[in-house]
Amino acid sequence: RKEVEQDPGPFNVPEGATVAFNCTYSNSASQSFFWYRQDCRKEPKLLMSVYSSGNEDGRFTAQLNRASQYISLLIRDSKLSDSATYLCVVTRRGGNQFYFGTGTSLTVIP
Amino acid sequence: NAGVTQTPKFQVLKTGQSMTLQCAQDMNHEYMSWYRQDPGMGLRLIHYSVGAGITDQGEVPNGYNVSRSTTEDFPLRLLSAAPSQTSVYFCASTQTKNYGYTFGSGTRLTVV
Repeated sequence: RKEVEQDPGPFNVPEGATVAFNCTYSNSASQSFFWYRQDCRKEPKLLMSVYSSGNEDGRFTAQLNRASQYISLLIRDSKLSDSATYLCVVTRRGGNQFYFGTGTSLTVIP
Repeated sequence: NAGVTQTPKFQVLKTGQSMTLQCAQDMNHEYMSWYRQDPGMGLRLIHYSVGAGITDQGEVPNGYNVSRSTTEDFPLRLLSAAPSQTSVYFCASTQTKNYGYTFGSGTRLTVV
């Protein structure tokens, strides 16, 4: 089983819509969680860390559910500039590697 | 405010040639990693390092070597290029695994 799994999409949503992505992780010892965005032909960039109590950054909200082993990203009031691929990333307690999901593609349509 | 610098940005190699992809960071980060990204495969870890003098293999290490003689630099060497190594290569660094990686802008490598 893969360490991290994401629905690849694509998600095509109109401007102003709310969209949510989920990401499941297989190892209960996973420790740190992140969401990245990657624009076409660019490097991944850190969007936000995910904290146990959930956290918000403007229109973006990240949640962690340890019992069900998933993290989520909610984007409110979608903008055209939100079009990108969103990657979830986890690390394991006691390990040094970062495990990347294959990404979820989002296109925001005018 | 350079962050993570990768060179070159583009490279074409012939099968069997060797080369070194350079990666340097100026943030005094301990962790550095090399990933390759192929369509539909996501980011796959090649090698990583948790500090100067310490390296370890990732998911796809065959055909690649690394060394970490300084905190700043983490070069990736392709020993004998093969068409299967055609990919986009990203170097990344972070202070600890509790913080996210900062990525370089990537090297697009084509092996013909």
